[in-house]
Amino acid sequence: SQQGEEDPQALSIQEGENATMNCSYKTSINNLQWYRQNSGRGLVHLILIRSNEREKHSGRLRVTLDTSKKSSSLLITASRAADTASYFCATYSNYQLIWGAGTKLIIKP
Amino acid sequence: EAGVAQSPRYKIIEKRQSVAFWCNPISGHATLYWYQQILGQGPKLLIQFQNNGVVDDSQLPKDRFSAERLKGVDSTLKIQPAKLEDSAVYLCASKAGQETQYFGPGTRLLVL
Repeated sequence: SQQGEEDPQALSIQEGENATMNCSYKTSINNLQWYRQNSGRGLVHLILIRSNEREKHSGRLRVTLDTSKKSSSLLITASRAADTASYFCATYSNYQLIWGAGTKLIIKP
Repeated sequence: EAGVAQSPRYKIIEKRQSVAFWCNPISGHATLYWYQQILGQGPKLLIQFQNNGVVDDSQLPKDRFSAERLKGVDSTLKIQPAKLEDSAVYLCASKAGQETQYFGPGTRLLVL
């Protein structure tokens, strides 16, 4: 069963703008991970945040985690055309990754 | 380091036929996963192997799906007989001891 729910389902922004995606989940977790999936390709791991962390950065990516609200957000700053993809959050619990349905991000030139 | 390899990349079959997918994980990765991803949804775990043993196959439709990893390296996922609702992308992933999973390009299956 799917645990994570991403919001919004789809997002279209201009190149150079920031993109924010949210993820909510239901049960306690060990960590939460964000993945990117380009059209027709496999999933690529972006960033992992542990349950005792509140914020993490990687390049243009910033992830926050609020375990009290069971939610996470992914911020992509200064978006580029190459960021066009679907973004999935996945929660790691009981040795298993459980995935949301994803946010489809389109960057307009 | 070579990534996770999968073949074929695309497969079209008619319902009630059988099909097999192959996965070669990253060298040294003990854990191997098969996922099913239906269009517009996130991946759904079908089966997880640790070396050549099954860790979790609770979501594998065992009446028609089977998977094996006989020597603890590459793996095969089979569907027999296929149904229309099996049309999806089948993803293979592997990991070593850390939490990050590394995915192959997937096999896109269309059942007509």
